[in-house]
Amino acid sequence: DTGVSQDPRHKITKRGQNVTFRCDPISEHNRLYWYRQTLGQGPEFLTYFQNEAQLEKSRLLSDRFSAERPKGSFSTLEIQRTEQGDSAMYLCASSLAPGNQPQHFGDGTRLSIL
Amino acid sequence: TQLLEQSPQFLSIQEGENLTVYCNSSSVFSSLQWYRQEPGEGPVLLVTVVTGGEVKKLKRLTFQFGDARKDSSLHITAAQPGDTGLYLCAGVGSNAGKSTFGDGTTLTVKP
Repeated sequence: DTGVSQDPRHKITKRGQNVTFRCDPISEHNRLYWYRQTLGQGPEFLTYFQNEAQLEKSRLLSDRFSAERPKGSFSTLEIQRTEQGDSAMYLCASSLAPGNQPQHFGDGTRLSIL
Repeated sequence: TQLLEQSPQFLSIQEGENLTVYCNSSSVFSSLQWYRQEPGEGPVLLVTVVTGGEVKKLKRLTFQFGDARKDSSLHITAAQPGDTGLYLCAGVGSNAGKSTFGDGTTLTVKP
């Protein structure tokens, strides 16, 4: 596997439920990023990790959102008590440090809140 | 807050025409990337530019980074239907962390 993989590709859930997404980065990449993208807009930064350390979080990342990268490899993004406004494509990317190295993206998880 | 503005937002042209799309900011970036994204997929990296005034070519695509590293352009020669997609620019700031994306240019090339 030479690319970033995300699972699931699609998630449909009812408002108020919790959801968790997984991202497996390119194996030699030590940085991992989460973005959210809605229709007609570019990706918006949510958070990023270098190895297992979470180095930056956007103010978009409310207390209902939590991300982890416990062993510095794969990462999970959990959304608790989902709201309709959470419907979006959630994209994961990875890169080598330093940060001006290009980021390579997965194909995202499309979340739909009923 | 670093903002990137892309123009035009939408562009529809005939096969064989040339086009240029722009990515502008008031902020200086340490590097800038161009991506192409198709519906339902993640962005695919096309190029990274780092040095002010840098020009890179990728087949029929020519990318330029502004001298002040605040803006960039993408020129496509003899566009083909396969060039259809959303073209995104993304800048990395001096803190070398997250990327800031523009909202993209949606290009449609008609056969």
